[in-house]
Amino acid sequence: DIQMTQSPSSLSASTGDRVTITCQASQDITNYLNWYQQKPGKAPKLLIYDASNLETGVPSRFSGSGSGTDFTFTISSLQPEDIATYYCQQYDTLPLFGGGTKVEIK
Amino acid sequence: EVQLVESGGGLVQPGGSLRLSCVASGFTFSSYEMNWVRQAPGKGLEWVSYISSSGNTKYYANSVKGRFTSSRDNAKNSLYLQMNSLRVEDTAVYYCARDSGYDGDAFDIWGQGTRVTVSS
Repeated sequence: DIQMTQSPSSLSASTGDRVTITCQASQDITNYLNWYQQKPGKAPKLLIYDASNLETGVPSRFSGSGSGTDFTFTISSLQPEDIATYYCQQYDTLPLFGGGTKVEIK
Repeated sequence: EVQLVESGGGLVQPGGSLRLSCVASGFTFSSYEMNWVRQAPGKGLEWVSYISSSGNTKYYANSVKGRFTSSRDNAKNSLYLQMNSLRVEDTAVYYCARDSGYDGDAFDIWGQGTRVTVSS
C-alpha cells in the first residue's frame, strides 16, 4: 500500500510570509496528487489538482509542484483567511489523504 | 448551484445500523463517480468508499469492508451509504464528495457533512 507523509504537522507564520508544505509518497504516483484546505467546522475545499493545477476560483497565491514521489504546496503570501488545515491526497490506486498541516498566524 | 447535501446521521449503539443519504443538484449526477470520506473528531480525513457512475464498481477502505455498502439511484440523484455493525471508532462526520474526473481524480465538490456518533 502507498503511504503518504505530509510535513510539517503544524506551522505558525506571519501575515505575508511564504509557507511551504511537503507531501512524500512511498512510491511513484506520477502527478496524481491533490491539495485541500479545510477550515474549522467546514467541508474540505479543493485547491490544487494533478499536483500543479489551480482549481477555478482559487487565489493565485496558492500553488503546487512536484511529480513522482515528492510534492510541494506553497502559499506565496500568507493571509489571515488562510488559517486552516491543509491536506494532500493521492489517487494512484485508492484515495489516501496525508495527515494534514495546521497553519496558524504568528 | 452545484451542491451535495447529506442526511441520515445520528446517535446509534455499537452493533447498530444507519443509512446515510447524499442528494446532488446542479449537475448531471449520473455522469460522475462518487465517494464517501469521513473525519473522526479532531482527526484527519479518511476515504471510506468509491462508487462508479453506473454503480457497478465499488471500492471500500479496509476499515469498513464487509460492514458498509455504497449504492446510488441516478434517477433520484442520490448516493447512499449503508453502515452495519457499527463500532465506536466509526464515530465521525461523513462527507459525500464528487470525483472531478481530473487525471488525479480530485474531489471537487463536497457536501456539508452528516455526523454519526456510535456510543452506548
